[in-house]
Amino acid sequence: DAGVIQSPRHEVTEMGQEVTLRCKPISGHNSLFWYRQTMMRGLELLIYFNNNVPIDDSGMPEDRFSAKMPNASFSTLKIQPSEPRDSAVYFCASSYAHTHLSRSTDTQYFGPGTRLTVL
Amino acid sequence: DQQVKQNSPSLSVQEGRISILNCDYTNSMFDYFLWYKKYPAEGPTFLISISSIKDKNEDGRFTVFLNKSAKHLSLHIVPSQPGDSAVYFCAASGQGDKIIFGKGTRLHILP
Repeated sequence: DAGVIQSPRHEVTEMGQEVTLRCKPISGHNSLFWYRQTMMRGLELLIYFNNNVPIDDSGMPEDRFSAKMPNASFSTLKIQPSEPRDSAVYFCASSYAHTHLSRSTDTQYFGPGTRLTVL
Repeated sequence: DQQVKQNSPSLSVQEGRISILNCDYTNSMFDYFLWYKKYPAEGPTFLISISSIKDKNEDGRFTVFLNKSAKHLSLHIVPSQPGDSAVYFCAASGQGDKIIFGKGTRLHILP
């Protein structure tokens, strides 16, 4: 298996521009997570989906952030408009859980991340 | 408010000696704890976990200890090797699939 795939690996954009990050989870996994890593806050969960349904988006910073999972093999995280304080590494992870109330039968597998720089 | 705290941002240990990484949590509903390891330019990878019904779990050179009364867990690496140099994240989970991570501790193994 190719593992969790994220694109792009690096993104440099100017303040005010729209940014779209993409994720392809491991085939067969039904839970998908978006994380953000910064020096100040460490690794924080933004949102997670189970069976393509958003379960917890309490970590999404503000309305400028949105995430979708149109099918089991694809998810996007969009920032519009982007700001310099959004600069961070964004990780996608996937796992399998029977329901959103049950724990994964395995651990979460992370993608390589997207390093976002907003100038 | 941080529910999972790793108070040491970095730690340096001589090769061959024991590395001890510490983690504290505040939420008594957490019942499953994990350690992830992260190399530069890569995503975190799972290392070891422990359920709250245990107080110790061992996997090769890695042992995790859990003290529920103190809400504290630690990761021991014995003996430490150069390839262990990485950032280590402590994480905790309650009901469901959501994991809360600490800020991480950067471990340097010195030759």
